[in-house]
Amino acid sequence: DAGITQSPRHKVTETGTPVTLRCHQTENHRYMYWYRQDPGHGLRLIHYSYGVKDTDKGEVSDGYSVSRSKTEDFLLTLESATSSQTSVYFCAISGASGGETEAFFGQGTRLTVV
Amino acid sequence: AQTVTQSQPEMSVQEAETVTLSCTYDTSESNYYLFWYKQPPSRQMILVIRQEAYKQQNATENRFSVNFQKAAKSFSLKISDSQLGDTAMYFCAFMKPSGTYKYIFGTGTRLKVLA
Repeated sequence: DAGITQSPRHKVTETGTPVTLRCHQTENHRYMYWYRQDPGHGLRLIHYSYGVKDTDKGEVSDGYSVSRSKTEDFLLTLESATSSQTSVYFCAISGASGGETEAFFGQGTRLTVV
Repeated sequence: AQTVTQSQPEMSVQEAETVTLSCTYDTSESNYYLFWYKQPPSRQMILVIRQEAYKQQNATENRFSVNFQKAAKSFSLKISDSQLGDTAMYFCAFMKPSGTYKYIFGTGTRLKVLA
């Protein structure tokens, strides 16, 4: 199994509070991604990173920010959580540029904003 | 921009029977990869099968095979001899192996295998 860990696995937070989700990998893969999964929408890309300090927006980036200060860690921050951000969040990694084509996923984080 | 469409939100199949899940995509690229991922109730995303667009031969992995029609931009998954453990959500995904290496997913098909 690919070495990718998300924390926390579950979180309940109040509207308006900041929340940070962490993704940690031990595979030294260049590419890291944050997706959210919602019924009827599949997995939608929030942000991704193509190297340390190199990040870009995905299709649903509003209300989210990311940081990658080390190869192994990719943080997703909800600056001020809203109920619409209640979702399951997945981190993924890929060594695609090095010849491996598949994305490997973390276990997911279920976030509930009340 | 690439898009992936799964038009079957839910499907069911009897144990030991065969079922086909549909996926279509839109791209102007000639070189890309397509994937099917399985998500059982555990929530873990598991790669089922991958297809390289420049390979004409359809990929197979044990009971799982694909029907890749590049001109029609179609990528269906066939599951033979369905087992109860195949019950899961299945996602089709597209990746262009250059530039951003983003993976674009469909909305998923929930498959239930009936005993």
